[in-house]
Amino acid sequence: AQSVTQLGSHVSVSEGALVLLRCNYSSSVPPYLFWYVQYPNQGLQLLLKYTSAATLVKGINGFEAEFKKSETSFHLTKPSAHMSDAAEYFCAVRDQGGSEKLVFGKGTKLTVNP
Amino acid sequence: DSGVTQTPKHLITATGQRVTLRCSPRSGDLSVYWYQQSLDQGLQFLIQYYNGEERAKGNILERFSAQQFPDLHSELNLSSLELGDSALYFCASSLMEGGPSETQYFGPGTRLLVL
Repeated sequence: AQSVTQLGSHVSVSEGALVLLRCNYSSSVPPYLFWYVQYPNQGLQLLLKYTSAATLVKGINGFEAEFKKSETSFHLTKPSAHMSDAAEYFCAVRDQGGSEKLVFGKGTKLTVNP
Repeated sequence: DSGVTQTPKHLITATGQRVTLRCSPRSGDLSVYWYQQSLDQGLQFLIQYYNGEERAKGNILERFSAQQFPDLHSELNLSSLELGDSALYFCASSLMEGGPSETQYFGPGTRLLVL
């Protein structure tokens, strides 16, 4: 069964600083990986997804993620944090064992300080 | 706006009661997924329907049931409610013809509070 682990339930950065949110996956087959963002009192919005077409994936709002098979990682980065990036971020892997469900990590809450 | 709608937005009820959560998928999407988000369990998959048929079940309690209607909207029924059922319930939809990389689009959720 596929699973993901997000290291760090809370990450705090200064405005303009690099954002790095960590996600490691476990999968016996090539994974399909997703990053979603949840703003306060809202639903989940897709930031980007890995589909095996390219290891470096660019998403919305300046975010990108790099798939590293050797490290079983799919970390999310943004070169310069903005106050509007404050939200909770979820890494997810698509189940490939009979359903199409998403298996989510516990989430990382990003705080951006002025 | 993802195109997925959920009603009601908030629901407050008492233990032992029954509630129904409604979801309308994006236009053209055939598959509906229900997820529960709670502080202790995180985001958990409950159940998936595809074109009216149950396709997959996750960690869904026997007190919970769901269905998808011919117009493709879905309802999640929660009965004999307990305090621990308080959570945010999300519906997501996808076309389900794009393979495993296909995006699931999430609705805004229904926040359920059981008192």
